[in-house]
Amino acid sequence: DAGITQSPRHKVTETGTPVTLRCHQTENHRYMYWYRQDPGHGLRLIHYSYGVKDTDKGEVSDGYSVSRSKTEDFLLTLESATSSQTSVYFCAISGGTQDTEAFFGQGTRLTVV
Amino acid sequence: RKEVEQDPGPFNVPEGATVAFNCTYSNSASQSFFWYRQDCRKEPKLLMSVYSSGNEDGRFTAQLNRASQYISLLIRDSKLSDSATYLCVVNLGGGFKTIFGAGTRLFVKA
Repeated sequence: DAGITQSPRHKVTETGTPVTLRCHQTENHRYMYWYRQDPGHGLRLIHYSYGVKDTDKGEVSDGYSVSRSKTEDFLLTLESATSSQTSVYFCAISGGTQDTEAFFGQGTRLTVV
Repeated sequence: RKEVEQDPGPFNVPEGATVAFNCTYSNSASQSFFWYRQDCRKEPKLLMSVYSSGNEDGRFTAQLNRASQYISLLIRDSKLSDSATYLCVVNLGGGFKTIFGAGTRLFVKA
């Protein structure tokens, strides 16, 4: 399996608090992505990164920010968590030197109460 | 228009049926294509790559039509264990951006 881990795997937080999710890879892949997945919506892209300090917005970026200070780490921050951000969050990586296959982390289940 | 579009389904089929999914992509520069499978409460995982000549893996056949910019996945003799969400994935080549479809739900019933 590809070396990609997400932390935490589960989190319950209160409305209005900031939350940071971490994605860590050991594959040295260039691209990293954050998705959320909700019933009836499939995977929706929040933000992605194409290199250290290079990030861009996806289709559902409002209320989220990201940072990538090292190749291996991509952080997703919910600036002030709301109940609508209760979801499963997946990190993915792609862009190895030869292999264009994408790999997913195991997901983080976030509940905002 | 989304860069990769799929029919969200759900597709409800009986065991033994043949079912086909289609996916369209908008960027003609796309170079690599994949189908992923996602089980309930799990992360998506690679099912198969898709080549211009078409490729088969057991009961699964994938086809690519570059002229019309669509990809298909055919599942023959469906099993209960095929119940999952199937994601169409497109890569622009080399180390470039990978784009994921939202997925098509499949339910196979006894």
